[in-house]
Amino acid sequence: EAGVAQSPRYKIIEKRQSVAFWCNPISGHATLYWYQQILGQGPKLLIQFQNNGVVDDSQLPKDRFSAERLKGVDSTLKIQPAKLEDSAVYLCASSFLQGATYEQYFGPGTRLTVT
Amino acid sequence: AQSVTQLGSHVSVSEGALVLLRCNYSSSVPPYLFWYVQYPNQGLQLLLKYTSAATLVKGINGFEAEFKKSETSFHLTKPSAHMSDAAEYFCAVRMANQAGTALIFGKGTTLSVSS
Repeated sequence: EAGVAQSPRYKIIEKRQSVAFWCNPISGHATLYWYQQILGQGPKLLIQFQNNGVVDDSQLPKDRFSAERLKGVDSTLKIQPAKLEDSAVYLCASSFLQGATYEQYFGPGTRLTVT
Repeated sequence: AQSVTQLGSHVSVSEGALVLLRCNYSSSVPPYLFWYVQYPNQGLQLLLKYTSAATLVKGINGFEAEFKKSETSFHLTKPSAHMSDAAEYFCAVRMANQAGTALIFGKGTTLSVSS
């Protein structure tokens, strides 16, 4: 079974530029999550999708971050314009069904450096 | 509100020694608790999970954790450390949001294993 795919793996941009990350979840997984992991901290949820609908985006900085999951499969997370404090690893995860007992499978992440 | 506190950002043990990584939680709903491991430049991998069944949970790679409600703890242990156990470990509790499946992570504990 293929895992969660993310691209790019690394990205370096200057502040005020825009950037986009892509995630392809495990086939058949209805729930998709984007987490932000700042160096030295644990991952923090940015947004959660159930199929192509948003179920939680309360921690997403909506003035600069946006995300979509068209057709309920792969997803894109965008930052525009980027700030220095956005430097982090962006992790995508997916799970089969809604429900806390279902395991979340994580992708390798995209490491963003904003200079 | 949910939160996770991992005591000790760095733990060092000798190969063959007992591994003990501490995690305390706070949750306004019955907690579902998780331990994840992260190797450099990789995503998170689930070690084990507690979902209100047996309080002693066994996971992969010889790790186990015990849920203690009275102490609000979920410490991770392994009887004998191996060099390959060196990694970052995260304790997490499920979020009590609408979906109830996203996770709140602790800040992580780096485990070093010396020969």
